[in-house]
Amino acid sequence: NAGVTQTPKFQVLKTGQSMTLQCAQDMNHEYMSWYRQDPGMGLRLIHYSVGAGITDQGEVPNGYNVSRSTTEDFPLRLLSAAPSQTSVYFCASSPHSDKPQHFGDGTRLSIL
Amino acid sequence: GEDVEQSLFLSVREGDSSVINCTYTDSSSTYLYWYKQEPGAGLQLLTYIFSNMDMKQDQRLTVLLNKKDKHLSLRIADTQTGDSAIYFCAEYSSASKIIFGSGTRLSIRP
Repeated sequence: NAGVTQTPKFQVLKTGQSMTLQCAQDMNHEYMSWYRQDPGMGLRLIHYSVGAGITDQGEVPNGYNVSRSTTEDFPLRLLSAAPSQTSVYFCASSPHSDKPQHFGDGTRLSIL
Repeated sequence: GEDVEQSLFLSVREGDSSVINCTYTDSSSTYLYWYKQEPGAGLQLLTYIFSNMDMKQDQRLTVLLNKKDKHLSLRIADTQTGDSAIYFCAEYSSASKIIFGSGTRLSIRP
């Protein structure tokens, strides 16, 4: 019963470094998404995917890349980390875009 | 564009009912959701309602939907200390997106 697994749980980066946040789900869900959560701003959609090989931009895509080569995995890449990307990142999945989403436990990312 | 708004804080006495309100802008929303987030954890689905329904009840939870005013509410009966959390309203909008509100932090007074 793994559900949605995010790694790492915590990460500290220096400005300009790159890294990949991993997200994997074992429920054979077609829809996957990445959000960032900042105080007082709720969750903002970064990128989403309606199936393998298909990705699209959300509200705040700048500075992030995604790919969806398999149904199970949906990694989020920070190309050149900036302090403004300090946040908690959540990955979610669902059988279809309008179905309730299952969330991972989040990755807490600090950019110094 | 799509927007979902909620008040940021709500404080209730233990045993009273809590009512968390939400307004949304996309009149074509088909599903509306309520999620709960406890400290340090991800979001957990509490309940959801389809847009052709006015009300949905699930044990201590009652969801009311007013489509005309684009208003959604979540009522928690007999509020307990374990209900302390942030509650997020979300709508499924067009273009395969789910839009979240900023969350309402519910605190319980003894």
